[in-house]
Amino acid sequence: DGGITQSPKYLFRKEGQNVTLSCEQNLNHDAMYWYRQDPGQGLRLIYYSQIVNDFQKGDIAEGYSVSREKKESFPLTVTSAQKNPTAFYLCASSIGQFWNQPQHFGDGTRLSIL
Amino acid sequence: QKEVEQNSGPLSVPEGAIASLNCTYSDRGSQSFFWYRQYSGKSPELIMSIYSNGDKEDGRFTAQLNKASQYVSLLIRDSQPSDSATYLCAVLNTGNQFYFGTGTSLTVIP
Repeated sequence: DGGITQSPKYLFRKEGQNVTLSCEQNLNHDAMYWYRQDPGQGLRLIYYSQIVNDFQKGDIAEGYSVSREKKESFPLTVTSAQKNPTAFYLCASSIGQFWNQPQHFGDGTRLSIL
Repeated sequence: QKEVEQNSGPLSVPEGAIASLNCTYSDRGSQSFFWYRQYSGKSPELIMSIYSNGDKEDGRFTAQLNKASQYVSLLIRDSQPSDSATYLCAVLNTGNQFYFGTGTSLTVIP
């Protein structure tokens, strides 16, 4: 079955620690996205990538980093510079630019501070 | 002005009624519009896409688009308690950027 796999489902971060959230898709989609969602809030874009080896900052990129070395994979690192990382993190993908197609989401990773 | 605006609700309707969810957008040239449903603690799932003016029906769901008014809506007929969720409106604008509304919380009362 094609889809988007996020892991882990739950993650705990200690003070001063960097943590990496995994996102893998087997939909052959070019574009991938990372969003943050706080309780009762909408989605806020962290980073997005339209093509391998290229990515752009979203609205709240500070304290986060990404890489896109493979089409299938778009990991997100939450660095120690992100002082309030507790949130629900959602990875999404779409076919790509100019296709007017929707995004599809993984099941999310819930990150908390220890 | 936000790219996509929705009433946050909460919207409550009795079981069997029609629920009407509304969304406005700012980029007049936007071409693609989507509705997602998000249950509490879960990720958003796509329920409708609409690209042309008018109505698009899929089972109990009808999406309505009026580009002149920059307005898109979702009607849920014969609402069921299982429809209780947050509904997100998303727009793909002329710059090929996705924008999501903050969502409308719907509760269907048995």
